[in-house]
Amino acid sequence: AQKVTQAQTEISVVEKEDVTLDCVYETRDTTYYLFWYKQPPSGELVFLIRRNSFDEQNEISGRYSWNFQKSTSSFNFTITASQVVDSAVYFCALSEYGAGKSTFGDGTTLTVKP
Amino acid sequence: DTEVTQTPKHLVMGMTNKKSLKCEQHMGHRAMYWYKQKAKKPPELMFVYSYEKLSINESVPSRFSPECPNSSLLNLHLHALQPEDSALYLCASSRALAGNTGELFFGEGSRLTVL
Repeated sequence: AQKVTQAQTEISVVEKEDVTLDCVYETRDTTYYLFWYKQPPSGELVFLIRRNSFDEQNEISGRYSWNFQKSTSSFNFTITASQVVDSAVYFCALSEYGAGKSTFGDGTTLTVKP
Repeated sequence: DTEVTQTPKHLVMGMTNKKSLKCEQHMGHRAMYWYKQKAKKPPELMFVYSYEKLSINESVPSRFSPECPNSSLLNLHLHALQPEDSALYLCASSRALAGNTGELFFGEGSRLTVL
């Protein structure tokens, strides 16, 4: 069975601080996919990134970066120089190959104060 | 702008009403999903359609009835709902090939209130 744990329920930072959102996953499959989604107050979940289990290369996209480590079953998300617009709920998700569905973590609510 | 469109955005209904939620996507995706989300909780999967066939039903009560008329449309028919069914209902789509779930593209959701 697949499981995703986001231990941080809420994080509050001041604008321009760096912040890391943790994600730990459990799966018995060797082929799986990891995702991050952002849900702003408007309600729509927005896809941010997908990583497959064979690709441990870290990724950077602007102020966002992701650190995937199979050895610790973690897929952490860092926002550099946070901005007020980054305030949202962030979900980490896992999909085992062939499962046809994703399992979401409980989410981390990020508040960035001006 | 989202490429997954949901209507209506807000719906208030009584427990004896029959209503429907609609979802449309034009990305050529062959998998479509209904999720239910309560406040401060993650989305909970309800149904998955793959190539217009129901492939996953997460033991959802029969008062929720999904329908996929074609590859671009997904409906959720509601009947005899309970107040605890009040939630944000999210539609999503993905490329999904052979059970491989790609990234999900979500609509803005339909916020349902059952009185």
